[in-house]
Amino acid sequence: EPEVTQTPSHQVTQMGQEVILRCVPISNHLYFYWYRQILGQKVEFLVSFYNNEISEKSEIFDDQFSVERPDGSNFTLKIRSTKLEDSAMYFCASTQRVVMGGSYNEQFFGPGTRLTVL
Amino acid sequence: AQTVTQSQPEMSVQEAETVTLSCTYDTSENNYYLFWYKQPPSRQMILVIRQEAYKQQNATENRFSVNFQKAAKSFSLKISDSQLGDTAMYFCAFEGGTASKLTFGTGTRLQVTL
Repeated sequence: EPEVTQTPSHQVTQMGQEVILRCVPISNHLYFYWYRQILGQKVEFLVSFYNNEISEKSEIFDDQFSVERPDGSNFTLKIRSTKLEDSAMYFCASTQRVVMGGSYNEQFFGPGTRLTVL
Repeated sequence: AQTVTQSQPEMSVQEAETVTLSCTYDTSENNYYLFWYKQPPSRQMILVIRQEAYKQQNATENRFSVNFQKAAKSFSLKISDSQLGDTAMYFCAFEGGTASKLTFGTGTRLQVTL
């Protein structure tokens, strides 16, 4: 069964360093998402991406964050200068194109990358 | 903006018993989807069940069923014949449009005991 994969599973970095979190969405999916979950808190939306551009972003997704689909398979989240408060679990998700009123295509989540900023 | 509220931070149920987790939401949209996700200690997000707002019939998946009350904006999850493997965090979530973002509640930690 196809699945979303994420690497690394755990990333430890020093405050101020740049990190890149990688995701490989399911191959025929067109919409991609990043969510984050601070330990013990709810899952929060960061950004959605479609047709090689950001379709929506949250207040959390400031200038320190960027996303990219550098090739036909990878979808990356970059944090330019990490802060202590960026420590969280980061989930990638993908879905096929959704047609309202038609059959629903769910968002498939990857296993997450645990980011620890020291 | 949509909001999702889960008022039960923790719940406990004995094995084989039934438990109901509550969720309310607020939206001005008419077409949307509602979900329950399970997050075990591995922190993987697992879709348990979904409900299309335009369907009046409550969704059912094996031991899991929902009580969807659109007018009251309520979406509760019932787990029948609870099993130890059901122990997890459960998140209620809302999706408001075509391939739009998911908005999650704060979660309910469910403990199934012997």
